[in-house]
Amino acid sequence: EAGVAQSPRYKIIEKRQSVAFWCNPISGHATLYWYQQILGQGPKLLIQFQNNGVVDDSQLPKDRFSAERLKGVDSTLKIQPAKLEDSAVYLCASSFAQGTEAFFGQGTRLTVV
Amino acid sequence: AQSVSQHNHHVILSEAASLELGCNYSYGGTVNLFWYVQYPGQHLQLLLKYFSGDPLVKGIKGFEAEFIKSKFSFNLRKPSVQWSDTAEYFCAVNLINGYKLSFGAGTTETVRA
Repeated sequence: EAGVAQSPRYKIIEKRQSVAFWCNPISGHATLYWYQQILGQGPKLLIQFQNNGVVDDSQLPKDRFSAERLKGVDSTLKIQPAKLEDSAVYLCASSFAQGTEAFFGQGTRLTVV
Repeated sequence: AQSVSQHNHHVILSEAASLELGCNYSYGGTVNLFWYVQYPGQHLQLLLKYFSGDPLVKGIKGFEAEFIKSKFSFNLRKPSVQWSDTAEYFCAVNLINGYKLSFGAGTTETVRA
């Protein structure tokens, strides 16, 4: 079974630049999550989709972060403009339904300089 | 506020020693509980999960966890660790009603040969 695919794996940008991450969940999974994991901390949920609708985005910094899941499959997460404190690993995960086991991708390591 | 607490930030053990990692949560409703593991260079993987039924659940690689509802705890155990168990371990919880999957800060376990 193919896992959750994320790209790119690594990204280095200067502060105030914009960046986008892409996620392709496991086929048939209705729920998609984006997490931010800062070094030494646990994953922090940024946004959760159920199909193409947003279930929770209470911790998404909406002044600079945006995410979409068109057609209820692939998703993109964008940061514009980036700040130094956005340096982190951005994880995408998917699950068959809300409350069931989440499967994670390899993550995108973002460094903002 | 809802939270997931992991008691130990870093644990160092010798091979064959027993392991117990603590996890407590502050949600008041019915929850699903998970332990995830992240081996060096790999993505987050599910170790075990509890949805309902027997509060003692068994996972992969000899790990088990016990759900104690009265203590809001879901501690992870392994009777005899191996060098290959060196990894970071995360407890995760979601509320049945809310489905938001929240993680603890993680515990890094180092097993010395």
